[in-house]
Amino acid sequence: GENVEQHPSTLSVQEGDSAVIKCTYSDSASNYFPWYKQELGKRPQLIIDIRSNVGEKKDQRIAVTLNKTAKHFSLHITETQPEDSAVYFCAATFLRQLTFGSGTQLTVLP
Amino acid sequence: ETGVTQTPRHLVMGMTNKKSLKCEQHLGHNAMYWYKQSAKKPLELMFVYSLEERVENNSVPSRFSPECPNSSHLFLHLHTLQPEDSALYLCASSPTGGKLFFGSGTQLSVL
Repeated sequence: GENVEQHPSTLSVQEGDSAVIKCTYSDSASNYFPWYKQELGKRPQLIIDIRSNVGEKKDQRIAVTLNKTAKHFSLHITETQPEDSAVYFCAATFLRQLTFGSGTQLTVLP
Repeated sequence: ETGVTQTPRHLVMGMTNKKSLKCEQHLGHNAMYWYKQSAKKPLELMFVYSLEERVENNSVPSRFSPECPNSSHLFLHLHTLQPEDSALYLCASSPTGGKLFFGSGTQLSVL
């Protein structure tokens, strides 16, 4: 089955700086890669996703890049704000079943 | 609100109790899921129902029993749980091959 590794497990950045979270996956057949944000005490919410036929996708301050050859994908958050503080999960899917990474606790320091 | 509703939000039960978690979605999705979220561990997929056909994770103990009476409702029946089963149980739904929409979860404590 699929195995997803996520790094780092914790990340602290100064407000206004960029944050990068990286994930690797094992199943080369995986074709869909979403990122979820989970604030304390709340449900995970999809923030951005990318499919395997695309190398990069951007939505305002958030971007995701995918390297299919190396089997890794990354989340980039620019101009971070305190409200970006949360746990971020990457995931990879093949045939409807999502496998999640272990999460990154992002703290944006004012 | 994502359109996925879970009840109860919190549940405390003893190891000999029987309880059920409920999930409901009115998004027209045809797949529903149960995930377990424990501290410092990845979200673990427990069960998937796609078009009302169950796909199991073989590592889930038999004390967890899912039920999907129709495409809008999903239950997780709990029986003789262990303290290590204490966790946040998240329900989710999706269109086929599409994005997951999560419920708010049930925080379960087993005493």
